[in-house]
Amino acid sequence: DAGITQSPRHKVTETGTPVTLRCHQTENHRYMYWYRQDPGHGLRLIHYSYGVKDTDKGEVSDGYSVSRSKTEDFLLTLESATSSQTSVYFCAIQARLDYEQYFGPGTRLTVT
Amino acid sequence: ELKVEQNPLFLSMQEGKNYTIYCNYSTTSDRLYWYRQDPGKSLESLFVLLSNGAVKQEGRLMASLDTKARLSTLHITAAVHDLSATYFCAVDMGNTGNQFYFGTGTSLTVIP
Repeated sequence: DAGITQSPRHKVTETGTPVTLRCHQTENHRYMYWYRQDPGHGLRLIHYSYGVKDTDKGEVSDGYSVSRSKTEDFLLTLESATSSQTSVYFCAIQARLDYEQYFGPGTRLTVT
Repeated sequence: ELKVEQNPLFLSMQEGKNYTIYCNYSTTSDRLYWYRQDPGKSLESLFVLLSNGAVKQEGRLMASLDTKARLSTLHITAAVHDLSATYFCAVDMGNTGNQFYFGTGTSLTVIP
């Protein structure tokens, strides 16, 4: 257990509604990441953070925004959910560059 | 754009047999990671490979990295049923934060 929790664990929402997923860590690590996992694509990086208020885009950032106002929390927001955002979302933390990333339990999001 | 290719995508093997999973990537990197994922679960870190020629072993699994060939291998020795899972390689391309690019995964089934 790497001290990472994600909430909610499951969510069903309608197209066009805003959705926020939360990642919380107890390890006080600097680096945090949001990925999505889809069949045939492995995991793809959405956004990442290298410190409080320091974030950057990943490979598939369109339609997503993030915020990190505290070290322990990294929020992922879908401003207006679409069916193509139906996926499993994983948060990850990393103590230092060159270390492995540790993954949270995941959030299964369904957009109807 | 970085591409990470794993093969095979699906692997069914008998207990006691040996096999190798390959991870090829398209651009220069000397940081590669292997993960395991059980169905419906999160990702578990297996190996961290940080230099050309790096070799790591844990139980029946051995991973190696050839940065010149842009190739990593995950070798399975005398497979057992408990090794059934999906295995992912991830290549790091980041500077300010580790931007992992994942392969599509290899689904391994070990048959008694």
